[in-house]
Amino acid sequence: KQEVTQIPAALSVPEGENLVLNCSFTDSAIYNLQWFRQDPGKGLTSLLLIQSSQREQTSGRLNASLDKSSGRSTLYIAASQPGDSATYLCAVGNNNDMRFGAGTRLTVKP
Amino acid sequence: NAGVTQTPKFRVLKTGQSMTLLCAQDMNHEYMYWYRQDPGMGLRLIHYSVGEGTTAKGEVPDGYNVSRLKKQNFLLGLESAAPSQTSVYFCASRASGGALQEQFFGPGTRLTVL
Repeated sequence: KQEVTQIPAALSVPEGENLVLNCSFTDSAIYNLQWFRQDPGKGLTSLLLIQSSQREQTSGRLNASLDKSSGRSTLYIAASQPGDSATYLCAVGNNNDMRFGAGTRLTVKP
Repeated sequence: NAGVTQTPKFRVLKTGQSMTLLCAQDMNHEYMYWYRQDPGMGLRLIHYSVGEGTTAKGEVPDGYNVSRLKKQNFLLGLESAAPSQTSVYFCASRASGGALQEQFFGPGTRLTVL
């Protein structure tokens, strides 16, 4: 059974810092890995999707990497802003479904 | 383009009552999913569908039933609600095509069972 773990559970940083969120998974036989953002009381917004054959994806200030062999992914956020405050979830996908981590709650202080 | 919509947004039930949650998508996606989200546990898959007329069990299917009579709709039913089913329910959809396709989520339904 695939287990997905996100560390840390919560993170607080001052504005402008670069930061890394971590995601680990137990079964390396994945199709893809997706990072989501969730604002309080809202649904999930997809940030980046990495296929199993890829090593990284970038969108603006966000960069996600994938190391399938070690069962790890990182989400790098450059020059963090207060508007980045949210919960970040990673999910690993097989052919039909996805397994989610519990998320990292990020607070960026002005 | 509404994407994925969910009805209702909030609901309070008494133990033993039944209800149906509706998910609709207008992106012509083959795959649809129902998840529940509980504090500190991330999202867990309840049931999913890989196409019209098909359904399959996910990680936590007990106490729920689903139907996919039309491609654009995926219904989640609770026949006899229990307090343990108090949660936020999310619907998602994606196109076929495996690893290339990302999931798109609805805004969620907050259900409380008293």
